[in-house]
Amino acid sequence: ETGVTQSPTHLIKTRGQQVTLRCSSQSGHNTVSWYQQALGQGPQFIFQYYREEENGRGNFPPRFSGLQFPNYSSELNVNALELDDSALYLCASSAGGIPPYEQYFGPGTRLTVT
Amino acid sequence: AQTVTQSQPEMSVQEAETVTLSCTYDTSESDYYLFWYKQPPSRQMILVIRQEAYKQQNATENRFSVNFQKAAKSFSLKISDSQLGDAAMYFCAYREDGSGSRLTFGEGTQLTVNP
Repeated sequence: ETGVTQSPTHLIKTRGQQVTLRCSSQSGHNTVSWYQQALGQGPQFIFQYYREEENGRGNFPPRFSGLQFPNYSSELNVNALELDDSALYLCASSAGGIPPYEQYFGPGTRLTVT
Repeated sequence: AQTVTQSQPEMSVQEAETVTLSCTYDTSESDYYLFWYKQPPSRQMILVIRQEAYKQQNATENRFSVNFQKAAKSFSLKISDSQLGDAAMYFCAYREDGSGSRLTFGEGTQLTVNP
C-alpha cells in the first residue's frame, strides 16, 4: 500500500509569483485535504476535494485554489504569493464516505517566499 | 466555530515515566471525533489515537491512552513508559461528524523525553 506523497519537498519563491504543489493520495482514497502549517503553529484547513469537487473550504482567500484529478491526486495552487504564505503545506487523504474518514498525511512541502 | 486549545506549549518527561498532555475544545455539536497526532522533526503527521464522542469508554493504543471528559470538553493524552522516540510535537484535533475530513487543530505541545 503506497502512502501519501507530496512534491516538491522544498521550494523557494519570490513574492508575487505563483506556485503549484502536488499530492498523490493513498491507494483507495478519494478525498484529499490541504492544510497550511505556519512555523510553530498547528495546521490550518485550506480546502478539501472529494471526487474531483471542492467539498469544504477554510478561511483562505481565492488566490488559494486546487484541483483533484480522476486518479484522486491533487494540486494546490497559490497565486500572487505573499511573505505570509511561507509555511509547511500538508496534504492528507482519506476514504470519503467511509467513517471515520481517518486521514493519512504526507510529509509536506516547505514553501519559503522571499 | 469550533476551537481547540492546548495550554502547554512544552512538556518534558524522563524516559520510562508517564506524562499527560492537555487539550480542551469548544463545540456545540454532540457528534464528533477527537484525535491526537504526533509530528516528529521529519514533519510527517502521524495519528496516535482517536476517540468517538459517542463512546464513553476512553480509547487506548498500547502505551497511549486518553481521558475524555465530554461534559468538560476535555481530551488529555497519557503516554506511559515514555520512550526517546516519543519526542515530538503533539497536536490535538477535532472533527465534526458529517463535516467530511476537515480537522481543527490545536497549537501543539512540544514533548521532550530526557534519557
